Amino acid sequence: DIQMTQSPSSLSASVGDRVTITCRASQSISSYLNWYQQKPGKAPKLLIYAASSLQSGVPSRFSASGSGTDFTLTISSLQPEDFATYYCQQSYSNPWTFGQGTKVEIK
Amino acid sequence: EVQLVESGGGLVQPGGSLRLSCAASGFTFSRHWMSWVRQAPGKGLEWVANVNQDESEKYSVDSVKGRFTVSRDNAKNSLFLQMNSLRAEDTAVYYCASHENYAFDFWGQGTLVTVSS
Repeated sequence: DIQMTQSPSSLSASVGDRVTITCRASQSISSYLNWYQQKPGKAPKLLIYAASSLQSGVPSRFSASGSGTDFTLTISSLQPEDFATYYCQQSYSNPWTFGQGTKVEIK
Repeated sequence: EVQLVESGGGLVQPGGSLRLSCAASGFTFSRHWMSWVRQAPGKGLEWVANVNQDESEKYSVDSVKGRFTVSRDNAKNSLFLQMNSLRAEDTAVYYCASHENYAFDFWGQGTLVTVSS
């Protein structure tokens, strides 16, 4: 199975900050990498698919890049509604696996 | 508007069975792969099983192989997860999710399965 490792596991940031989350795969997954946002008690929401494609309706302050084994999600200017947990997920091979999550908290 | 609505969760004893359902609307269900994803209390996300459009391909995570079976009824726009021989570690919120571009593009609100005596 492909292991996905996110860093950091949590971070504290202020509104307006630029935030970067990284995700590393245990083997190359090309660009089969997706990012999700999850708020407490809610279902995850797709933000980014295929490593860098913004899902319809997602604000442009979210961007992502990477290929192979190393990927990043960037929030250019953190907004109050962005405080949540973020997960990366690979769809290169079964079983599709998720990172452990990065919790973005208010500083 | 895309809607995925799960049902069938509840409290079950270890070794018991449950059948989860997911009712889909707002999109052409029969054209999409579908998955079940679960989340144990306070934990991360774990993909459980998926099925292709005509049920000719099905996959599941090793921890549920031989116990869980995914199926679908395209005529009724419904996805199912038959869960047998349930264990405490299967306790989780179970989400159904549709696939697009090799990602889970839409999710249901989830249904809680609690395995406890």
